[in-house]
Amino acid sequence: DQQVKQNSPSLSVQEGRISILNCDYTNSMFDYFLWYKKYPAEGPTFLISISSIKDKNEDGRFTVFLNKSAKHLSLHIVPSQPGDSAVYFCAASATNNDMRFGAGTRLTVKP
Amino acid sequence: EAGVTQFPSHSVIEKGQTVTLRCDPISGHDNLYWYRRVMGKEIKFLLHFVKESKQDESGMPNNRFLAERTGGTYSTLKVQPAELEDSGVYFCASSQVGTDTDTQYFGPGTRLTVL
Repeated sequence: DQQVKQNSPSLSVQEGRISILNCDYTNSMFDYFLWYKKYPAEGPTFLISISSIKDKNEDGRFTVFLNKSAKHLSLHIVPSQPGDSAVYFCAASATNNDMRFGAGTRLTVKP
Repeated sequence: EAGVTQFPSHSVIEKGQTVTLRCDPISGHDNLYWYRRVMGKEIKFLLHFVKESKQDESGMPNNRFLAERTGGTYSTLKVQPAELEDSGVYFCASSQVGTDTDTQYFGPGTRLTVL
């Protein structure tokens, strides 16, 4: 029962360009969405989040967009840097604290 | 293919009691991770097994937490004795060793409430 899906297992982007990572969800009860970043041999670290009352949240080079009607969110990284190369996980949470994760997308930023 | 499963889904215990959480990874996945989500915010890494060996347990909060993975299959996380601040949702994830994407598949979590 995959309630959160990241359909692209990998993404390759040139340094300086925009990276767009996508995430789709099925459960309309989700009201809080998070993105995590994971380097090899490390646990995921929190990156950015967005509440369902917003459609955009920006933090430096990272922006998360939420389209509730489409049950879709995306993470934009601009400009992309080689240090951004990692696996990015999308997660969704409901008010009862249930949380579901996507399978991750590996981003490679080429110099 | 069955995903990562966790048992129980919910547990309510009193302070001072012991609780054991179980995680069954996807068959064939040598990597197994435990995470904790406290205060409804971001998750925190606890530890990482590769087969039965603890690869990284830097996130374990204190010695009241004991994780095991005998035989390299399922894993247990025991909290003894439980304290109020241990309440949260405990997630388990698994992945294959040597894959390109290092994709982690998460279980549904166990919600622990310590009263």
